[in-house]
Amino acid sequence: ETGVTQTPRHLVMGMTNKKSLKCEQHLGHNAMYWYKQSAKKPLELMFVYSLEERVENNSVPSRFSPECPNSSHLFLHLHTLQPEDSALYLCASSQEVSGSSTDTQYFGPGTRLTVL
Amino acid sequence: AQSVSQHNHHVILSEAASLELGCNYSYGGTVNLFWYVQYPGQHLQLLLKYFSGDPLVKGIKGFEAEFIKSKFSFNLRKPSVQWSDTAEYFCAVNAWDMRFGAGTRLTVKP
Repeated sequence: ETGVTQTPRHLVMGMTNKKSLKCEQHLGHNAMYWYKQSAKKPLELMFVYSLEERVENNSVPSRFSPECPNSSHLFLHLHTLQPEDSALYLCASSQEVSGSSTDTQYFGPGTRLTVL
Repeated sequence: AQSVSQHNHHVILSEAASLELGCNYSYGGTVNLFWYVQYPGQHLQLLLKYFSGDPLVKGIKGFEAEFIKSKFSFNLRKPSVQWSDTAEYFCAVNAWDMRFGAGTRLTVKP
């Protein structure tokens, strides 16, 4: 248990559905992240938030929409996804935003997303 | 932008064998280096990290890694692996932002 929880753990959705992934951290951290983990590929950083403000968006398609209502919660809203978006979506938090930082990132268990 | 290479995709060892997983990065400036591990069905967790000082870093569960600046490498080692070390191992480099390698799957046969 890392102090970072994610729900749901598994999600199957059609391409026309709208769903949301939720992440909550209980560590008092200021930074939160969304990553995409696909088989045999490096973890892809999608979004970074610092104190509820988005500080980085790595050219992620607009069908992924993040929301950070407070420093403890992070959402990823999904709509009109494609089958190639099927992956494990990981949330992480750290004390401060990475950037020559020594801060460890603490990861949640992930949401296994399957898009049909 | 920095990139991270893990050359071994899948390593299979017998118990008690020695382990070395390669990690190379491409960035000429100051970096902070990490190894994370993901056990089957579990979340990613930190094994060890380096940001300054002794380039030989010791982590949890008997793992260590050596930072060789001239080779842009941060290889992970363990002298004697156990079945419970079966997992996926990710190297990460933090310069401007955190970049992960593709991971190396380690299977330890009992």
